[in-house]
Amino acid sequence: QKEVEQDPGPLSVPEGAIVSLNCTYSNSAFQYFMWYRQYSRKGPELLMYTYSSGNKEDGRFTAQVDKSSKYISLFIRDSQPSDSATYLCATMNAGNMLTFGGGTRLMVKP
Amino acid sequence: SQTIHQWPATLVQPVGSPLSLECTVEGTSNPNLYWYRQAAGRGLQLLFYSVGIGQISSEVPQNLSASRPQDRQFILSSKKLLLSDSGFYLCAWSATAAVTDTQYFGPGTRLTVL
Repeated sequence: QKEVEQDPGPLSVPEGAIVSLNCTYSNSAFQYFMWYRQYSRKGPELLMYTYSSGNKEDGRFTAQVDKSSKYISLFIRDSQPSDSATYLCATMNAGNMLTFGGGTRLMVKP
Repeated sequence: SQTIHQWPATLVQPVGSPLSLECTVEGTSNPNLYWYRQAAGRGLQLLFYSVGIGQISSEVPQNLSASRPQDRQFILSSKKLLLSDSGFYLCAWSATAAVTDTQYFGPGTRLTVL
């Protein structure tokens, strides 16, 4: 079983839709959770990180962690074509090393 | 401000040939440095990380090696490439290994082994 799993997509939505991206993880010891955005042929860039359970909001983006179910979510409100990218969730282990999910490809159509 | 460079941007190499990918960071001192590989449709796999000059830790045994000859230079090498080495290689840096210190990624090198 992979430590962090994501549906690879692609997920196609119309402009303005609310997007929900999800990951599951297996190691209950993980405490920190990140979302990276990766445009085609570019390096990933950090969007948000959260600690333990709860929500964190940054503009149109909301990250949510449910440790009881080992479930991580990223919500994008009022999605834009510029949000089209691959979204990678990641967790940090005890050694402060990142473990990434496989990424979900999102396409927002005008 | 800090910047991270990788070259070459793309590379096509025959099986059995050597490899050398370079990563340099500007605008910071004594960064933690990382090499990741991203295979098509898959997540990032950590290959090596370094907390200082000459200090390399390997996460996955394979035919690749890494070296850090200078504080802000990180090199990924292979003596003989395999088909399975194809992928997108990303270098990253962070100020420390703490979770609150973001890992910043370079633009990547796309390697195709034929």
